[in-house]
Amino acid sequence: KAGVTQTPRYLIKTRGQQVTLSCSPISGHRSVSWYQQTPGQGLQFLFEYFSETQRNKGNFPGRFSGRQFSNSRSEMNVSTLELGDSALYLCASSLTGANFYEQYFGPGTRLTVT
Amino acid sequence: DAKTTQPNSMESNEEEPVHLPCNHSTISGTDYIHWYRQLPSQGPEYVIHGLTSNVNNRMASLAIAEDRKSSTLILHRATLRDAAVYYCILKDNTDKLIFGTGTRLQVFP
Repeated sequence: KAGVTQTPRYLIKTRGQQVTLSCSPISGHRSVSWYQQTPGQGLQFLFEYFSETQRNKGNFPGRFSGRQFSNSRSEMNVSTLELGDSALYLCASSLTGANFYEQYFGPGTRLTVT
Repeated sequence: DAKTTQPNSMESNEEEPVHLPCNHSTISGTDYIHWYRQLPSQGPEYVIHGLTSNVNNRMASLAIAEDRKSSTLILHRATLRDAAVYYCILKDNTDKLIFGTGTRLQVFP
């Protein structure tokens, strides 16, 4: 069974640009979550999608958005990039998000904003 | 959001058992206790989870206090590959995981 895949793996963007990251969950998983990891703030929750609906949102500005498609694949978008958006963006999937289901993480997308 | 408290770092020698503690005094009745670990340059990896009873799997054991206000992740024989940051997380019925700073485990040969 293939794991969670994220594309691209590495990305370099300039301040002010926008970026779209993609995540393909494990087959059959309906819940997809996104996290940002930086050396200063650690791992922070961005948002969670289940059956194409945003179920939870973390404390990030509106420049960060996401969506989920009917095949459970998810994208996140960051508009008007800032230097502080440089981070590892991780996607994770689980069957339903229930408390007894574990999450499986992808390898992440390393975003560098210059 | 329910929070957990873990020591910042711990050390172990290879092939020795390691007990990683976690306090979660504000746990609610439906929260599961999940443990993840993050090896260098990788995404977090699921280790084990439990509700009330102790749990074992091929990677580790999870010992949960009777009042559920604390738990301990047990690695029975640490290897160099177990060097990682270990996160103890309380999970409700969503996939909103709140990661703390975790415990950085160093394993010495």
